[in-house]
Amino acid sequence: GDSVTQMEGPVTLSEEAFLTINCTYTATGYPSLFWYVQYPGEGLQLLLKATKADDKGSNKGFEATYRKETTSFHLEKGSVQVSDSAVYFCALSHTDMLTFGGGTRLMVKP
Amino acid sequence: DTAVSQTPKYLVTQMGNDKSIKCEQNLGHDTMYWYKQDSKKFLKIMFSYNNKELIINETVPNRFSPKSPDKAHLNLHINSLELGDSAVYFCASSQEWGTSYEQYFGPGTRLTVT
Repeated sequence: GDSVTQMEGPVTLSEEAFLTINCTYTATGYPSLFWYVQYPGEGLQLLLKATKADDKGSNKGFEATYRKETTSFHLEKGSVQVSDSAVYFCALSHTDMLTFGGGTRLMVKP
Repeated sequence: DTAVSQTPKYLVTQMGNDKSIKCEQNLGHDTMYWYKQDSKKFLKIMFSYNNKELIINETVPNRFSPKSPDKAHLNLHINSLELGDSAVYFCASSQEWGTSYEQYFGPGTRLTVT
């Protein structure tokens, strides 16, 4: 079946540092790929998505590129802020069912 | 106005009890979902409804019964609660059944079974 693997956290960075959160997936065919973010005490919000190979999703300074050859969808941001502290979930979807990775907690210190 | 709302936000109850969690979306979406997030933050789909009809029913004990009275509501009823049911339950909705539609999540209901 489908699966998503993310790097384990927590990831602790200083403000303005470069962020990479690795995500790889196992799936048949061509799923859509997503990054969701969960701020403390809140539900998940879609951060960005890509629906086909080589697509780049971007939002709020975050980017991720759909790499079919490496089955990856790594999340990057050039300069993180304290307000980016949250749990980040990589996910894929074939039909309408999201399969999530285990989540990566990001802590950004001033 | 909150797009996807859930009640209650917190629910503490004893083993063996029956409880319900309500979910409402005011986005006019056709599809609604229930997810379970365990203590390690792992998220798993439980149910998916499209136009009030059950589409996905993952391996969930039959003590869990979703009910969709209309497209805007998807409630979750749990019978004979067990300790392992303690988790955060999220309701979500999407515009239509399809791969690229964003899912909008509610704030979650933290269920604690003692």
